[in-house]
Amino acid sequence: DVKVTQSSRYLVKRTGEKVFLECVQDMDHENMFWYRQDPGLGLRLIYFSYDVKMKEKGDIPEGYSVSREKKERFSLILESASTNQTSMYLCASSLEGGNQPQHFGDGTRLSIL
Amino acid sequence: QKEVEQDPGPLSVPEGAIVSLNCTYSNSAFQYFMWYRQYSRKGPELLMYTYSSGNKEDGRFTAQVDKSSKYISLFIRDSQPSDSATYLCARGLNDYKLSFGAGTTVTVRA
Repeated sequence: DVKVTQSSRYLVKRTGEKVFLECVQDMDHENMFWYRQDPGLGLRLIYFSYDVKMKEKGDIPEGYSVSREKKERFSLILESASTNQTSMYLCASSLEGGNQPQHFGDGTRLSIL
Repeated sequence: QKEVEQDPGPLSVPEGAIVSLNCTYSNSAFQYFMWYRQYSRKGPELLMYTYSSGNKEDGRFTAQVDKSSKYISLFIRDSQPSDSATYLCARGLNDYKLSFGAGTTVTVRA
């Protein structure tokens, strides 16, 4: 079974802080993704990576950056957290190619106060 | 217009009933479709993956794709209380990105 592990289930941070969300997958997947999930808006793609050190913007990249130094690890960075970034953050991974099903972790519920 | 529209629900059905979930999509390029199940406080879990028109079965689950009508459906037969969850449809375009519906919450009453 694919295992995508997100380092924190719940996180509380303050406005202006730099926040790091970590994700690790154990299936040697080439592709990794970061989404946020908000009620009524569904899942929205923030960034994705199809190879180590490669990154592509998704639909809502503003206020975020990512880092992928190793194949199994993909980090999401909130440069200066704001209250409108309070959300559920989901990491996913998939095999090489642009049409593979994505497998998700259990999410990090982030609150910015 | 959103790329994928999902019937909002919520749905409440008695145990043993057939659950019918529906989505429509707006793009006609080559594409593939998925259904995910998401339990409360958990991540989405892949249920079905298909890229062709017609039906695909997996146990009590059937995914149906009608590309002429741009309609995708998920049917759950003999529903169980453990099927109570939010179901998400998703559409991909061979560019790594998925477009998700907003989700339908299903409750199966024992």
